[in-house]
Formats: sequence, C-alpha cells, structure tokens
Amino acid sequence: DVHLVESGGGLVQPGGSLRLSCAASGFSFRIFWMSWVRQAPGKGLEWVANINEDGSEKHYVDSVKGRFTISRDNARNSLDLQMNGLRAEDTAVYYCAKHKYFDFWGQGILVTVSS
Amino acid sequence: DVVMTQSPLSLPVTLGQPASISCRSSQSLVYSSGNTFLNWFQQRPGQSPRRLIYLVSKRDPGVPDRFSGSGSGTNFTLKISRVEADDVGIYYCMQGTHWPPLTFGGGTKVEIK
Repeated sequence: DVHLVESGGGLVQPGGSLRLSCAASGFSFRIFWMSWVRQAPGKGLEWVANINEDGSEKHYVDSVKGRFTISRDNARNSLDLQMNGLRAEDTAVYYCAKHKYFDFWGQGILVTVSS
Repeated sequence: DVVMTQSPLSLPVTLGQPASISCRSSQSLVYSSGNTFLNWFQQRPGQSPRRLIYLVSKRDPGVPDRFSGSGSGTNFTLKISRVEADDVGIYYCMQGTHWPPLTFGGGTKVEIK
C-alpha cells in the first residue's frame, strides 16, 4: 500500500522558515513526479510545487517562487519543502501527493504563520 | 492560468438519488497528444483528498462505479448515480493540461437533505 507521511509543520512567526518532509513507502518513489498541495483553513485546494523523477525539473505556483524550494532524496524515499520568508497567507494544511496528478495523498501537516 | 469554475457551490441530495457537478475550464483542456488531463477529487469531512477520476472518465482503483466522469473541451461533469451517506464531502475538479500552475476548481459541497 502507498503511504505518504508528512512531518515538520508547526507554528512559525512571519518571516520565519520551516522545512516539511514527506516519507514515502509502498511504491517505487524514484520513478514518479511528486507534489505539494496546500489547503488554507476552510478554503479549497492549491497546488504549491512539484518535482520530476530525478529532481532536475521543479515548478512552483507564483505566490511561493523565490521563497519555497522543493527537493527529493530518492535514496531515502523522501520529499522536502523548504519554506522561507513565511507569510500569514501561507497558513494551511500542506499535503504531499504522489504523481503530477495526485493519485495518492498524505494525511497533511498544519503550518501556522502567526506572531 | 486556466481558471476552473465549478457549479453548484452546494448540492443537497436525497439518499439514493442522482447528483451532478459541473466543471468548466477557461480554455480547452485537450493536450497536443489528444489526452484531456481533467481529474476529480473527493474530500470527506476531516480527511485528505482522494482522487476519483482521471483523464475525464477513468475511475481510480477502488472507486465505486456509481461515480462517473464525462465531458470534453471546456465542459466536464461528475455524476453520482445514487448518492450514499458515504459520499458527503467536497468535490474538486483539477486540470493538468496547461501547467504550471496546476489549477483546481473552487469545490462543490455535497450534503444529504
């Protein structure tokens, strides 16, 4: 069975940094694109970033470009999201999702940006 | 960016009755390959989203056959043939043809009357 488990969330002040991680198991991690999707409290879904199989291609939604960095470690079956310069509007549950088109999702991790 | 517009926002349905959700895109979702990258997701209360449908009409493994997707170009529909209590939640369409960014519809909340 596919399992995606996010970690690293929490409360951070505006302007601060946080690193999210996603531990993947149950599938051949190295042959799939991976994605981050977020959901602000009471709001809809928003794609944040994705990365190709070997990490050579990365894409971001405009609102996080220059502040967030997606990366992966295929040896450890791990996906990361480094978030710098955090803003109140980044407050959301962040989901790790398999594939460009999100065929499996993690349980999500809450990031709260507040002073 | 491709804008995805869903209707209705809220859909009260009687158990056992059909339900239909519409999703329209601001431009055609037909890719140069001929594929149309339109997906549907279900998010039950308090849970992570789950993909139901990909490529307009293909059901993901384990998805009941009472769920069906249809459409083409810019107009798409998710139908539930007979709503069950387990189907309560928010449904999102998402396009993967013209990206970045990948974009979602605003969601349709299905509830039982």
